[in-house]
Amino acid sequence: EPEVTQTPSHQVTQMGQEVILRCVPISNHLYFYWYRQILGQKVEFLVSFYNNEISEKSEIFDDQFSVERPDGSNFTLKIRSTKLEDSAMYFCASSVGQRETQYFGPGTRLLVL
Amino acid sequence: QKEVEQDPGPLSVPEGAIVSLNCTYSNSAFQYFMWYRQYSRKGPELLMYTYSSGNKEDGRFTAQVDKSSKYISLFIRDSQPSDSATYLCAMSARGAGNTGKLIFGQGTTLQVKP
Repeated sequence: EPEVTQTPSHQVTQMGQEVILRCVPISNHLYFYWYRQILGQKVEFLVSFYNNEISEKSEIFDDQFSVERPDGSNFTLKIRSTKLEDSAMYFCASSVGQRETQYFGPGTRLLVL
Repeated sequence: QKEVEQDPGPLSVPEGAIVSLNCTYSNSAFQYFMWYRQYSRKGPELLMYTYSSGNKEDGRFTAQVDKSSKYISLFIRDSQPSDSATYLCAMSARGAGNTGKLIFGQGTTLQVKP
């Protein structure tokens, strides 16, 4: 069964450093999302991406964040200058259509020291 | 008022019990309702997906949506220890400009004891 994959599974970084989280969505999916989950809190929407551009972003997704689909398979989330409060689990999700089921990856656990 | 509210539990039941999990919401634009299961430190896994009001059954799982009350439920029959996980409700709106973003509840932690 096709699945969303994410790398790395864990990332530890120093405050102020740049990190890139990578996702490979399911191959025939057209809509891509990033969510995050701070430990003990809700899963929160960050950004949606369709047709090579951001379709919606949350208040969390400020200028420090960017997304890219550099080729036909990868979907990346970049945090330019990490803060302590960026420590969270980051989930990538993809769907065939915007009203269709979103399938989530296993997540990347980011720890900012 | 929070957009989606879900009692975080924890909820502990004996094996074989019927489990009822619930969420309430405030945004009447929500049309798509989902239940995800999340094991510790893993990604959410889709269990049930329903559109608008009504019931949907899949094996031991039944999802109900009551849009008039802004209330959704997930029932698990004959619960098993392997059902022990956190159950997340999620919903999204329909219409122009809606990109499919999901709004999640807090999640209810369920423990099924053998």
